[in-house]
Amino acid sequence: NAGVTQTPKFRVLKTGQSMTLLCAQDMNHEYMYWYRQDPGMGLRLIHYSVGEGTTAKGEVPDGYNVSRLKKQNFLLGLESAAPSQTSVYFCASTSRGQYSPLHFGNGTRLTVT
Amino acid sequence: AQSVTQPDIHITVSEGASLELRCNYSYGATPYLFWYVQSPGQGLQLLLKYFSGDTLVQGIKGFEAEFKRSQSSFNLRKPSVHWSDAAEYFCAANDYKLSFGAGTTVTVRA
Repeated sequence: NAGVTQTPKFRVLKTGQSMTLLCAQDMNHEYMYWYRQDPGMGLRLIHYSVGEGTTAKGEVPDGYNVSRLKKQNFLLGLESAAPSQTSVYFCASTSRGQYSPLHFGNGTRLTVT
Repeated sequence: AQSVTQPDIHITVSEGASLELRCNYSYGATPYLFWYVQSPGQGLQLLLKYFSGDTLVQGIKGFEAEFKRSQSSFNLRKPSVHWSDAAEYFCAANDYKLSFGAGTTVTVRA
């Protein structure tokens, strides 16, 4: 089982550049999430989706956009990258909402110079 | 505001010794509680969860956690640590939104 797959694993961007992070899950989960992880701050929710075609803002949504056109995919976009967006990004999914344990991908390490 | 606090940023323990990681939550009602572990370069893996019932919860890899309502705590324990337990551990709580603590890094010395 692949579970939750994130691509790419690493990326370096210059300030102002754009990119899209892809998350794919093969568990038929309804709920998908994007988190960022920064030292000493745990994981903070950026955006989430409760089903195909729906998205919602989390704790730290500014500077990010998301799309969930297909149930298995959840895309995170940075339109104009800033150094403050240097972080490790994790995608997660679950079948029954946040009351159920999350299944995590292995993360994308993004550096913005 | 609802929050999850892990008071210890870093803990060093000898292999074979016991380990206890602290977690406190601040919620109006008892939330659902989780412990996750993150090995270097990996995503988070669920160790155990507490929803209700028995306050001592058994998880994977020999870990257990005890829920104490009076102390708003959900501490993680392992009786005998192995070198492979070196990782970062996150406590998380959920009533309508999942919140993570800042994490505790565990170093295991030989």
